[in-house]
Amino acid sequence: QVQLVQSGAEVKKPGASVKVSCRAFGYTFTDYYINWVRQAPGQGLEWMGRINPNTGGTNFAQKFQARVTLTRDASVSTSYMEMSRLRSDDTAVYYCARDRGYFYDSRGYHARWYFDLWGRGSLVTVFS
Amino acid sequence: QSALTQPASVSGSPGQSITISCTGTSSDVGAYKYVSWYQQHPGKAPKLIIYDVTKRPSGVSDRFSGSKSANTASLTISGLQAEDEADYYCTSYSSSPTYVFGTGTRVTVL
Repeated sequence: QVQLVQSGAEVKKPGASVKVSCRAFGYTFTDYYINWVRQAPGQGLEWMGRINPNTGGTNFAQKFQARVTLTRDASVSTSYMEMSRLRSDDTAVYYCARDRGYFYDSRGYHARWYFDLWGRGSLVTVFS
Repeated sequence: QSALTQPASVSGSPGQSITISCTGTSSDVGAYKYVSWYQQHPGKAPKLIIYDVTKRPSGVSDRFSGSKSANTASLTISGLQAEDEADYYCTSYSSSPTYVFGTGTRVTVL
């Protein structure tokens, strides 16, 4: 079954780090980018950044550039989001979601700039 | 970069049509045909309902439709049903950052 399975809930103290995982099942892991999107309680969705599982290349929304690291382990089809120097306002559900971006095949150039598969989310609570 | 602007709430009676707007800039919504819409029920992950401004994924009701004019995209829900009560978010591809989300709209079925 095609799905993204995320790690469980975490409770952290301010100043600590957290690492959330997102494992892909049912498709070729390196064919799709993995994005990270967060949602604070009662708030909207916020795009954080994205990793190319094939090359490891990343790009970020500016506000997350300094504190977030995205990595991947293709051998287990898993992407990781690590956030450092946690604050209380980092309390949120963190989602991973895939997109295909742009790619070439025998029929030419294609663009798939949307999230067609989401994980269920991982709740991170920052609490002193 | 600022979030795309959506109305905080929209409501309608069963069977009616409603439209949700999503206003961006000439750097995101106005520049690309890559606007998508997501439906989120409470406690659930978002679900893709519209991509590339007007396209519906397989399995999504044809009561959902999308459009765009200049810097504003729109989602229309026709024949409103109780199950459509949810939060809706637009997003657009952008040159930098890669994606920007809308502020979100709560749809209430009266």
